[in-house]
Amino acid sequence: KAGVTQTPRYLIKTRGQQVTLSCSPISGHRSVSWYQQTPGQGLQFLFEYFSETQRNKGNFPGRFSGRQFSNSRSEMNVSTLELGDSALYLCASSLNRAGGETEAFFGQGTRLTVV
Amino acid sequence: KNQVEQSPQSLIILEGKNCTLQCNYTVSPFSNLRWYKQDTGRGPVSLTIMTFSENTKSNGRYTATLDADTKQSSLHITASQLSDSASYICVVSPYQAGTALIFGKGTTLSVSS
Repeated sequence: KAGVTQTPRYLIKTRGQQVTLSCSPISGHRSVSWYQQTPGQGLQFLFEYFSETQRNKGNFPGRFSGRQFSNSRSEMNVSTLELGDSALYLCASSLNRAGGETEAFFGQGTRLTVV
Repeated sequence: KNQVEQSPQSLIILEGKNCTLQCNYTVSPFSNLRWYKQDTGRGPVSLTIMTFSENTKSNGRYTATLDADTKQSSLHITASQLSDSASYICVVSPYQAGTALIFGKGTTLSVSS
């Protein structure tokens, strides 16, 4: 079956602009999580959506937001872009099985460069 | 503060040799500990997932161990191959935190012929 699909793969934006990234989870997965990966900080959790509701949020400013649609597809938006927002943004989907062992399947990521 | 520390930061080994990567964490309590492999320019791929009650788990040439008492985990790679060249990331899932995972910064492994 198809994996997690993120679009676009690469993006170049100017400081002050806003950007929207898209993520289509694995069919049947209802949980979508977003992560930011930078060389200095590694991977950091942004937020998680489950059944169109934000279920968990990491320690990022309000410029970072997201939403999930009824078909479980998710979008992430970053407003007023800063140079430090340049990163690989990864989306992961999971089945959200009971017991806490929620295996996350990652997409290829969107490489955002802010100039 | 919940943290995951990995060592070494980078490692170079010859093809066919074994190696062991280390992970120390302070996350408590936790649901599970995972090891991911990330090739350059690609998303991480899961290698193993262990709950706090498991001591070891294997996936082919990859064997992960967990000592919940000392809060340490290791990933042992046997008979390394050129395709093992990647970043290996240790990830801890705090108890009832869902997918709010805490990531180490990874160990970059280079396998040379």
